[in-house]
Amino acid sequence: DQQVKQNSPSLSVQEGRISILNCDYTNSMFDYFLWYKKYPAEGPTFLISISSIKDKNEDGRFTVFLNKSAKHLSLHIVPSQPGDSAVYFCAASQDSNYQLIWGAGTKLIIKP
Amino acid sequence: DAGVIQSPRHEVTEMGQEVTLRCKPISGHDYLFWYRQTMMRGLELLIYFNNNVPIDDSGMPEDRFSAKMPNASFSTLKIQPSEPRDSAVYFCASRIWGQPQHFGDGTRLSIL
Repeated sequence: DQQVKQNSPSLSVQEGRISILNCDYTNSMFDYFLWYKKYPAEGPTFLISISSIKDKNEDGRFTVFLNKSAKHLSLHIVPSQPGDSAVYFCAASQDSNYQLIWGAGTKLIIKP
Repeated sequence: DAGVIQSPRHEVTEMGQEVTLRCKPISGHDYLFWYRQTMMRGLELLIYFNNNVPIDDSGMPEDRFSAKMPNASFSTLKIQPSEPRDSAVYFCASRIWGQPQHFGDGTRLSIL
């Protein structure tokens, strides 16, 4: 039973364009969501988070949008840069201090 | 600041041998997590500790797996006896209350 789903295993985007990564969840109790980025041979690194009291959170080129009614969140990267090529994981929990449930990841490839 | 430190980075051993993975969390962090990443199952939580006490070990696959945290700066994950299906990347992560998890760079384990 996958409570957090990232349905696109991979995504290819031209440098300078917008990258949109999607994540769906099934548990309505989730109210804290995070995105992590992972390079090969490294551990995941925290990118950005959002709690359910907000529908948008922005940090530089990265914006996360949350649609609670649709149980859907997305990560927008604008503009995309070659260094953004990595695997992106979506994770969710019942609050910031509960254990995280992870999606399977989406591999983002930024083409020059 | 030193991040989460895991050792060894790579381990290759024969089936039936004991394997010990080590983790040093970030100083001051009171939660420590052990994860396993495989192609089939993605990132799975095995066990986590709070203030050196195991809180949830429901993700530990079998009795062959055990984890300890003798003090706030060290944890081990042991597999005895090891089997080929234990081959995976094992991550350790730590965090402080209310903050995202910080991951080590993982141990790539291969059981022949």
